[in-house]
Amino acid sequence: DTGVSQDPRHKITKRGQNVTFRCDPISEHNRLYWYRQTLGQGPEFLTYFQNEAQLEKSRLLSDRFSAERPKGSFSTLEIQRTEQGDSAMYLCASSLVVSLNYGYTFGSGTRLTVV
Amino acid sequence: DQQVKQNSPSLSVQEGRISILNCDYTNSMFDYFLWYKKYPAEGPTFLISISSIKDKNEDGRFTVFLNKSAKHLSLHIVPSQPGDSAVYFCAASASGAGSYQLTFGKGTKLSVIP
Repeated sequence: DTGVSQDPRHKITKRGQNVTFRCDPISEHNRLYWYRQTLGQGPEFLTYFQNEAQLEKSRLLSDRFSAERPKGSFSTLEIQRTEQGDSAMYLCASSLVVSLNYGYTFGSGTRLTVV
Repeated sequence: DQQVKQNSPSLSVQEGRISILNCDYTNSMFDYFLWYKKYPAEGPTFLISISSIKDKNEDGRFTVFLNKSAKHLSLHIVPSQPGDSAVYFCAASASGAGSYQLTFGKGTKLSVIP
């Protein structure tokens, strides 16, 4: 098990283009989370899944953002019609439902730059 | 409206001394608190957590103290080592309210000077 894997590590896109990121969680973890981090800020919650069900979404997740976890394993986060304000580090994390004693395991993130 | 606040953007400490990182919160629904460490170009790494039913939790060189009445927690690192130099984030969750999302502070950059 190599931890939480995110792909790609870096993405540069032109404003108005669509982008999709992938996250592969730790295999036995049934919860998966997406966060966004901008410069000088802490990570901000976007959404999370328990298995394939999307249980909570932040108001930060505008209608241009969509996340899926079709078989309860990997997840994708798509941003449509990207804007410069979408430039950020997108972090994925996973955990077991049971307890927060062990925190969430984060991936290394996908850095998005919208030009 | 920041529910989790880390008021010190940076902290410098001599190697071998104690590092104390502080965090304040405003949401009384928070019942779990976590500390993460982050190196550049990596995701945050979980360090230690504490439930609101406790006032102290220890793991090796790391101790977290929780003062519920003051809505304040702190992370103590003793002794500090150069490898501890990183950005430290405080995070909180209202898991008892059915939400497992973490609310993070803005972070404190710790520099441990050899």
